[in-house]
Amino acid sequence: QVTLKESGPALVKPTQTLTLTCTFSGFSLSTRGMRVSWIRQPPGKALEWLAHIDWDDDKFYNTSLKTRLTISRDTSKNQVVLTMTNMDPVDTATYYCARFPTVTAFDYWGQGTLVTVSS
Amino acid sequence: EIVLTQSPGTLSLSPGERATLSCRASQTVSSTYLAWYQQRPGQAPRLLIYGASSRATGIPDRFSGSRSGTDFTLTISRLEPEDFAVYYCHHYGWSVFGGGTKVEIK
Repeated sequence: QVTLKESGPALVKPTQTLTLTCTFSGFSLSTRGMRVSWIRQPPGKALEWLAHIDWDDDKFYNTSLKTRLTISRDTSKNQVVLTMTNMDPVDTATYYCARFPTVTAFDYWGQGTLVTVSS
Repeated sequence: EIVLTQSPGTLSLSPGERATLSCRASQTVSSTYLAWYQQRPGQAPRLLIYGASSRATGIPDRFSGSRSGTDFTLTISRLEPEDFAVYYCHHYGWSVFGGGTKVEIK
């Protein structure tokens, strides 16, 4: 059974760094072709892809956010971590992680975690 | 950069009717990496279609996907009450989502 769950702070202040953790089970990120992605969704708005990390530790970022994002993994803990620096109120959103087998898109999603940026 | 434009923004239909949702790419893209998701209020997106026309595991056959040139279509043959939701297309080769189509009860 594949599951993913996001964890992190519900509230961050402007200019702070956000750190989110995706803890997953039921699959291995070491399997060839496997990826884990982060996606966000501001309230009432569309989905936006942020980053993903590959089975071989390659990392890919949304070009418009690249300077602020870092994605990493801890294979032993089945976790993928996303950090986003210099948070702003426009970054208020629900942040999701998703499993991404290369051919079959984002087939399993976490429940999402709402992050509010406010002083 | 690829842009995916979904239309209409909102589709007002009755249960039992047919829904046709469009996703147009700004340039020719591979259909191998085109997906559709359903998102109900307060829930995470759910994968419906990948590779433009392959149904994901457990998805009813009233959902189908197709392609014509740069236009991709999601068709729901007969709307069930649980199908009223927002639908997003996604090109996972270019890592871009469309803006969504809301299917609401007329």
